[in-house]
Amino acid sequence: QKEVEQNSGPLSVPEGAIASLNCTYSDRGSQSFFWYRQYSGKSPELIMFIYSNGDKEDGRFTAQLNKASQYVSLLIRDSQPSDSATYLCAVKFARGDSARQLTFGSGTQLTVLP
Amino acid sequence: DAGITQSPRYKITETGRQVTLMCHQTWSHSYMFWYRQDLGHGLRLIYYSAAADITDKGEVPDGYVVSRSKTENFPLTLESATRSQTSVYFCASSLTGIPQPQHFGDGTRLSIL
Repeated sequence: QKEVEQNSGPLSVPEGAIASLNCTYSDRGSQSFFWYRQYSGKSPELIMFIYSNGDKEDGRFTAQLNKASQYVSLLIRDSQPSDSATYLCAVKFARGDSARQLTFGSGTQLTVLP
Repeated sequence: DAGITQSPRYKITETGRQVTLMCHQTWSHSYMFWYRQDLGHGLRLIYYSAAADITDKGEVPDGYVVSRSKTENFPLTLESATRSQTSVYFCASSLTGIPQPQHFGDGTRLSIL
């Protein structure tokens, strides 16, 4: 069973702080990792994606991969109340039936306190 | 740029009825996907399609039927709706297959009484 695990939260951080969200995955050979943001009642919106060849920074967002420990992190610097949402991690597994699909975690709810 | 649109946005129906959810994209993306989202389960893939007339099962395909006669449309049909199919349904598309990112429609909230 291919799995993607996220702490459901809620994770609360004060405005201006760094929010750190983690996602663990079961398939060591996974090479593609995606972070989506989902506001309440809305559809998932892609924030960023990384491949197994390295981390990525985009504005206030940084995605980091730790292949040895099989987790991927999303860091949000200078957190704003508008960042309050559920963050979904998705992984493309390398092998098996799941290799052609994205597997999503159940999401971490982030609240940024003014 | 309309992107990807789903219809209807909200639907209430009764058990045993057939219901079809529509998905239309204007990007000429090859891949299209149907997910359902339930509390505690996150997004689960129902079916996906790599191109017109090519479809494949996802994680939870039972009770659903899809077709893709045209690249831009990917309807999802519940042949005989059950209460367990009450959910929010999202359609998504991507230019090519994974690892290309997927872009989601606004969703259809389906309630089965």
